[in-house]
Amino acid sequence: GQNIDQPTEMTATEGAIVQINCTYQTSGFNGLFWYQQHAGEAPTFLSYNVLDGLEEKGRFSSFLSRSKGYSYLLLKELQMKDSASYLCAAWDSNYQLIWGAGTKLIIKP
Amino acid sequence: GAVVSQHPSWVICKSGTSVKIECRSLDFQATTMFWYRQFPKQSLMLMATSNEGSKATYEQGVEKDKFLINHASLTLSTLTVTSAHPEDSSFYICSTRRGQGDTGELFFGEGSRLTVL
Repeated sequence: GQNIDQPTEMTATEGAIVQINCTYQTSGFNGLFWYQQHAGEAPTFLSYNVLDGLEEKGRFSSFLSRSKGYSYLLLKELQMKDSASYLCAAWDSNYQLIWGAGTKLIIKP
Repeated sequence: GAVVSQHPSWVICKSGTSVKIECRSLDFQATTMFWYRQFPKQSLMLMATSNEGSKATYEQGVEKDKFLINHASLTLSTLTVTSAHPEDSSFYICSTRRGQGDTGELFFGEGSRLTVL
């Protein structure tokens, strides 16, 4: 079956760096998304990777390794507002979006 | 600014009543709209895909007679939860993407939190 795995919860300190990992098993692959979701709100788009490598966008970077079925989201210079859930989602061969359960990131002062 | 507008944000209703949730695409014509449901601490679950001018495609296990979807125009899709029960209490979110066949990001509505008493 198709599956996305990511840690349930992570804790980090304000100003630090945190890496959220995601592994996926899908029938075919057409790219991987990262979304941020604050409690009680809809997800907002962070990144989309379809080729191997690291894509940097300000304080956030996303990495993809298709051969390993692996991605990570790197958050630098953490701010309290970064406390949220981070959802990993992958397109399968039919462009069906498979969602992970999300990683709740807790930022401590 | 918002690309997709969804309302109501919050709705509380009595068991047995029906609730309509609207989702509007503000910046572009949305031929396809996705409706998700999210229970606390769980991932987004795709309920159905609505296509403008045709019948919606429902995911396995989702009752099409209970969750009525209408996509009558290129900017508006509605989800009606009929005869709602407490187990239907959830966070309902719509989303769409630009262009036919575009594999870019999904734009989400603000979400609608339904509480059925």
